[in-house]
Amino acid sequence: DAGITQSPRYKITETGRQVTLMCHQTWSHSYMFWYRQDLGHGLRLIYYSAAADITDKGEVPDGYVVSRSKTENFPLTLESATRSQTSVYFCATTDPGLAGRDTQYFGPGTRLTVL
Amino acid sequence: AQSVTQLDSQVPVFEEAPVELRCNYSSSVSVYLFWYVQYPNQGLQLLLKYLSGSTLVKGINGFEAEFNKSQTSFHLRKPSVHISDTAEYFCAVSDQPYAGGTSYGKLTFGQGTILTVHP
Repeated sequence: DAGITQSPRYKITETGRQVTLMCHQTWSHSYMFWYRQDLGHGLRLIYYSAAADITDKGEVPDGYVVSRSKTENFPLTLESATRSQTSVYFCATTDPGLAGRDTQYFGPGTRLTVL
Repeated sequence: AQSVTQLDSQVPVFEEAPVELRCNYSSSVSVYLFWYVQYPNQGLQLLLKYLSGSTLVKGINGFEAEFNKSQTSFHLRKPSVHISDTAEYFCAVSDQPYAGGTSYGKLTFGQGTILTVHP
């Protein structure tokens, strides 16, 4: 059981290019989240989704787009990458209806460098 | 809006010494509280959480935390650390369900505390 996977694990791109980070879960958890981790800021929420076709902005959504057509996938797209989007991106899931609710489970992260 | 402050960005300790990592939060509604640990080049994993009941919460790897509502704190402690505890630790909060807030299910993280255990 893979749980939650992210791809790619490492990505180098150039300013202005479009980049999509993938997140896939095998648990069928209803909630999925995208965070970015930057030194001195901890983790900040970019976007989240409470179910398929339901998404909402987090704390730092500018420059990012998400979609969720299927429960198990939650891709994050940087439409025109900027250097300030160089970061480590984490996907997470949770399901408030399950025992152990309110625990978020994190993927291994994607390290993105924008040159 | 919620906020979380971790009072120490770095904590160096010697092996077998006790350690306390401090966390204070601010929220206008009742909250759930969490501590996550991140080992180098890995994702975050749950260390412990406070949802309700006893204010002293025990987690994995010998860690515990105490919820203090009057001081809005949730400090993490371990009586004797090991080299393998070297990691970054994050405190986080979310609204309780039906508390009237807008952040149920969403976590607000502190800035992180890097714990380094020296031999």
